[in-house]
Amino acid sequence: DSGVTQTPKHLITATGQRVTLRCSPRSGDLSVYWYQQSLDQGLQFLIQYYNGEERAKGNILERFSAQQFPDLHSELNLSSLELGDSALYFCASSVVAGGGITDTQYFGPGTRLTVL
Amino acid sequence: AQKVTQAQTEISVVEKEDVTLDCVYETRDTTYYLFWYKQPPSGELVFLIRRNSFDEQNEISGRYSWNFQKSTSSFNFTITASQVVDSAVYFCALSEAVGGGADGLTFGKGTHLIIQP
Repeated sequence: DSGVTQTPKHLITATGQRVTLRCSPRSGDLSVYWYQQSLDQGLQFLIQYYNGEERAKGNILERFSAQQFPDLHSELNLSSLELGDSALYFCASSVVAGGGITDTQYFGPGTRLTVL
Repeated sequence: AQKVTQAQTEISVVEKEDVTLDCVYETRDTTYYLFWYKQPPSGELVFLIRRNSFDEQNEISGRYSWNFQKSTSSFNFTITASQVVDSAVYFCALSEAVGGGADGLTFGKGTHLIIQP
């Protein structure tokens, strides 16, 4: 158990809908990362938040957005869903020491999204 | 741009054999970090090791060992005396230490390791 929690575990929805995925980081971790794992694209970094602020962006679609709340939990919002958005979405957290040091990212169990 | 290549899509060995998973990376930075993660059939991603670019010492942890060679941009992972429980997909990943360490990981495509009893 990494200490990172994600809900829900599974989500089935229809095209055009909007969903919200939730992540709680490990105790003491200030940074949250979101990743998408699909058969086509593999594991891709989407976005990072650090202490409530967006820190880095990867291959995140404009239909997707995220935020980190004062209690450090994060939500990933996916809208206007398409069949191709079906994937496993991971959240990871790290302390982020800064100063050019990259901390280890610990991953949650993932949310499996199926778009029908 | 950074890139990680895991050329072995799938490896199948018989239990107790040694197996090496290859990882080759590309980066323009002199400071970077390399990782290995394991994804068992249950789906979670389990952290195995982190190595920074200034530390080329090989590392051993039980039956696991890692060989980091900057000269060939490789960070290979060896499992000695493999066991059925080692069956999983293994990912190599890279992070460039820019912006004070704030960056997502770039993953390879993964190697599916099958250990047959």
